[in-house]
This record gives sequence, structure tokens and C-alpha cells, in this order.
Amino acid sequence: QLQLQESGPGLVKPSETLSLTCTVSGVSISSNTYYWGWIRQPPGKGLEWIGSIYYSGSTYYIPSLKSRVTISVDTSKNQFSLKLNSVTAADTAVYYCASGPPGFFDSWGQGTLVTVSS
Amino acid sequence: QSVLTQPPSVSGAPGQRVTVSCTGSSSNIGAGYDVHWYQQLPGTAPKLLIYGNSNRPSGVPDRFSGSKSGASASLAITGLQAEDEADYYCQSYDSSLSGYWVFGGGTKLTVL
Repeated sequence: QLQLQESGPGLVKPSETLSLTCTVSGVSISSNTYYWGWIRQPPGKGLEWIGSIYYSGSTYYIPSLKSRVTISVDTSKNQFSLKLNSVTAADTAVYYCASGPPGFFDSWGQGTLVTVSS
Repeated sequence: QSVLTQPPSVSGAPGQRVTVSCTGSSSNIGAGYDVHWYQQLPGTAPKLLIYGNSNRPSGVPDRFSGSKSGASASLAITGLQAEDEADYYCQSYDSSLSGYWVFGGGTKLTVL
């Protein structure tokens, strides 16, 4: 059974880089069946897709964050990662990693709260 | 403001039927892209409820159903139960700009 677990700092200073990792278990991250993605949810607000990566390395990002986001895969560790640079308080959110066939997400991590504050 | 519009809230009594709408445009739902629905119980991660407009993953009760027509989609819940109280999100693909996946703003379902 596919399982996802986010990890990373819960507090990031303004203007610095937010870095999160998602560890995948139960399936190889090199599988051509899945897209691997990041979604965030500011406190009390709705879901926002950030970006996704395919096993081939192709990446897809939401236009509003494209200049600040990088998603990458580490096949040796069966992990994928999110980097968001130049963060502000508006980037405070619960960050979820998720996976699924092209188009939707049928497996989700439990989420991790990242607060941007000095 | 999301490009997929959902009502902020809906409510119904136990046993009743409620629907949640998701209205898009010609660059997303109206362009033929599939709609997917998620349920988010308080304090938990979202869970896939409907995929490909009307398909239920294994384990999702048949009280939940989805439909799509034109640039809109709907989630229907029949035989409403207390445990259905949650936030519901639609999701699709938008072809504007360079293309991206998009969620609706979410609908809070209250079971009276």
C-alpha cells in the first residue's frame, strides 16, 4: 500500500527557502504510473496545487509560484522534494505531498505545518 | 479566488440529499477536462471521493456520486449522515497560461 510522509522544518524565516521532503513507501518512485505532487492549505483556507513531477523528471508548476518553486526526485531514497524560495508570511500553510495517476491525487500524506516568521 | 467556483456552505438533515456545485469555464471543465472530488474531515488530509467525473474509488459508499455537464460539475450525497460533515473540494485542469491543476474554493457541509 502506497504511503507518503512529509518531513522538514516547521518554521522558516522570511526571505529564506522552505524545503520539504516526502518519503514514499510501498511503491517505487520510479514507477510510470504515478505523478508526485505538492499541495498546500493556508490556515482556514482552501487547497492550492503547487506542482507535480513525473518519474521521467518532467515538472509542472502553478504559474503564480513557478519562479520560486523547484520539485525534484531522489530515486535512491524513494523521495521527492519541494523547495520554495523567498518565502513570506503568505506561504504559511499545511503542506501535503500526494500522488496519483495523471490528473488527480488518490494518496496523500498527513500534512506538515510550515510557519514563516522571524 | 479560484477559477472553479463552489458555494461556501451547504447543509442538510440526516437522511436528506444534498448537492455541491462546481462551476468552471471554457478553459477547464468546459474544455472537457475531468472533475475530481475530495472530502476533508476536520484536522485530516483530503481523501479522494470521486475521480473522472463520476467514478468512486474502492471503499467510497455509493451514497456519493458525481456528474458533469458543460462547464459545471456536481457532487451529490444521499442518505446524509453525521460523519459526512466535512469540507468538499472539486479539482480539475485549467489550460490557461501554461496549464495547471486547480482546486475549487471548497464547500463546508453541515449536517443539521
